[in-house]
Amino acid sequence: QKEVEQNSGPLSVPEGAIASLNCTYSDRGSQSFFWYRQYSGKSPELIMSIYSNGDKEDGRFTAQLNKASQYVSLLIRDSQPSDSATYLCAVPGGAGGTSYGKLTFGQGTILTVHP
Amino acid sequence: ETGVTQTPRHLVMGMTNKKSLKCEQHLGHNAMYWYKQSAKKPLELMFVYNFKEQTENNSVPSRFSPECPNSSHLFLHLHTLQPEDSALYLCASSQEAQGSSGNTIYFGEGSWLTVV
Repeated sequence: QKEVEQNSGPLSVPEGAIASLNCTYSDRGSQSFFWYRQYSGKSPELIMSIYSNGDKEDGRFTAQLNKASQYVSLLIRDSQPSDSATYLCAVPGGAGGTSYGKLTFGQGTILTVHP
Repeated sequence: ETGVTQTPRHLVMGMTNKKSLKCEQHLGHNAMYWYKQSAKKPLELMFVYNFKEQTENNSVPSRFSPECPNSSHLFLHLHTLQPEDSALYLCASSQEAQGSSGNTIYFGEGSWLTVV
């Protein structure tokens, strides 16, 4: 059974700061990792995916992966109040993590960006 | 309009009622899923359908009964539910259930279920 752990927070940062969200996973064979954002009352939406060790940047978002430590993080630079949401870390299921539809999610970290 | 639509968006039902949740995807996908999101618990996979065939039942109680008449439609039939079944039920779809290439899943807006 794959497990994904996140600090549920809430994490509160001032506008313009860097928000750092962390996730650890139990299955050393996992190859792919996803970050979803879920606004209150809405469905999760994919914002980042990462497959290789190191950093992947997309606009204000940077995903960092360290497979040796089984750790993946999401950094949000220049945080805006519109970034306030729950951020979910997810790992695909199946052997070798090849089933992208069958996701195991962490419990999510609630982020609040205050003006 | 999103590619995955769910109805109803909100449902209140008694423990002796029978109701159904409906999901329709307009993305041409072949795999559909039901996920459950409860308060203070991680989002968890319930059922997987790939090309209309159920390929996974994640130890879901029989009071939840899925139905997939075609690749575009998915139902979740509910009967004799318990108050602890109150949750957000999310439908999702992807190109296929297995494989990774271009296989991002897309969620519907969810159906909020309250069992009284």
